[in-house]
Amino acid sequence: KQEVTQIPAALSVPEGENLVLNCSFTDSAIYNLQWFRQDPGKGLTSLLLIQSSQREQTSGRLNASLDKSSGRSTLYIAASQPGDSATYLCAVKSIFGTGTRLQVFP
Amino acid sequence: GAVVSQHPSWVICKSGTSVKIECRSLDFQATTMFWYRQFPKQSLMLMATSNEGSKATYEQGVEKDKFLINHASLTLSTLTVTSAHPEDSSFYICSARKTGGGADTQYFGPGTRLTVL
Repeated sequence: KQEVTQIPAALSVPEGENLVLNCSFTDSAIYNLQWFRQDPGKGLTSLLLIQSSQREQTSGRLNASLDKSSGRSTLYIAASQPGDSATYLCAVKSIFGTGTRLQVFP
Repeated sequence: GAVVSQHPSWVICKSGTSVKIECRSLDFQATTMFWYRQFPKQSLMLMATSNEGSKATYEQGVEKDKFLINHASLTLSTLTVTSAHPEDSSFYICSARKTGGGADTQYFGPGTRLTVL
């Protein structure tokens, strides 16, 4: 059964830092991998979707990579801002990771 | 882009009553929809996979008689929480799977917050 793990569980950084969030999964037979953000008490906001045939996707300050063979994906956030503070979730084959709670302070 | 709606967005009910939550794919047909539950400060947990025209597949530990799922059309799946109790209070999120054109993507609804008194 697919298991999805995210590291770190929580992260607190000053504004302007570049960040790397990690997602690992046990079953490499995937269709795609998605990254979401979730603000407290809110639903999900889709950030990036990487199809299984792709290696990375970029949107603004966000870049996500996918390495199926090693069962890993990383979400890179450049020049972090306080507005980036949220919980970040990756999802693989309908299974969500444990999440990374990010706080960016001014 | 593809849109998935949920209704209601929030509901408060008394213990022992049943609550129905609807999930609709507004601009595409979805043979498969998923239901998730999220407790405070936890990640989303897959409850069941809903397949149009057939029985839902429940994850281990999810009571199928308590969480009734019906996927009667290609654009609508419903989750009914029967005889709700305070421990069923949670955030319920659905997603619909869109395939075709070489892509296979899940689109998520905005969620339904259930509070059982």
